[in-house]
Amino acid sequence: SQQGEEDPQALSIQEGENATMNCSYKTSINNLQWYRQNSGRGLVHLILIRSNEREKHSGRLRVTLDTSKKSSSLLITASRAADTASYFCATDAYQGGSEKLVFGKGTKLTVNP
Amino acid sequence: DAGITQSPRHKVTETGTPVTLRCHQTENHRYMYWYRQDPGHGLRLIHYSYGVKDTDKGEVSDGYSVSRSKTEDFLLTLESATSSQTSVYFCAISILGNTEAFFGQGTRLTVV
Repeated sequence: SQQGEEDPQALSIQEGENATMNCSYKTSINNLQWYRQNSGRGLVHLILIRSNEREKHSGRLRVTLDTSKKSSSLLITASRAADTASYFCATDAYQGGSEKLVFGKGTKLTVNP
Repeated sequence: DAGITQSPRHKVTETGTPVTLRCHQTENHRYMYWYRQDPGHGLRLIHYSYGVKDTDKGEVSDGYSVSRSKTEDFLLTLESATSSQTSVYFCAISILGNTEAFFGQGTRLTVV
């Protein structure tokens, strides 16, 4: 099964509103990352938060991490139509001496003009 | 796109035929991954590599094999393609297993 699970699966908001997406994961992590995917294209890295960090900002993005609850949230403030995309969380999972990067199912965000 | 190229970009093949997808990088990153993306499933890890000739299985590895004989190339082979392997396949690279990953543009594979 997949390590990370995002919710909601889909989110539709108006331009200017804030968008919040959540990610829950199952096992201990070193880092948690958020990625964005525009339709039909490869994923693009947005932000990485380490397990000893609780909050991180990058422009209009704010990510929080609660390791006790094994959850993270991505907040996009003052959303724009160009933010329309799918957003994925990714966690590292230790396997037999190496680490692998595992993604969730994603949240599809639609920002209406 | 961070020096990562997938080929082919599109392929249609018949059930039962072997298919090989290629991922080529120019970044000298240690880790390389193959994912498949299907509606409702997000990205699922097929196989990954943490060095030349060092590979391991992901969550959906059945029916797939990989090889990495040199740093820059990671090949994904479908030994005998099935319709359930119709999907979009993404290759990704990263310096380590828990650092930022860079993705290729994807390969759309259709098995008829």
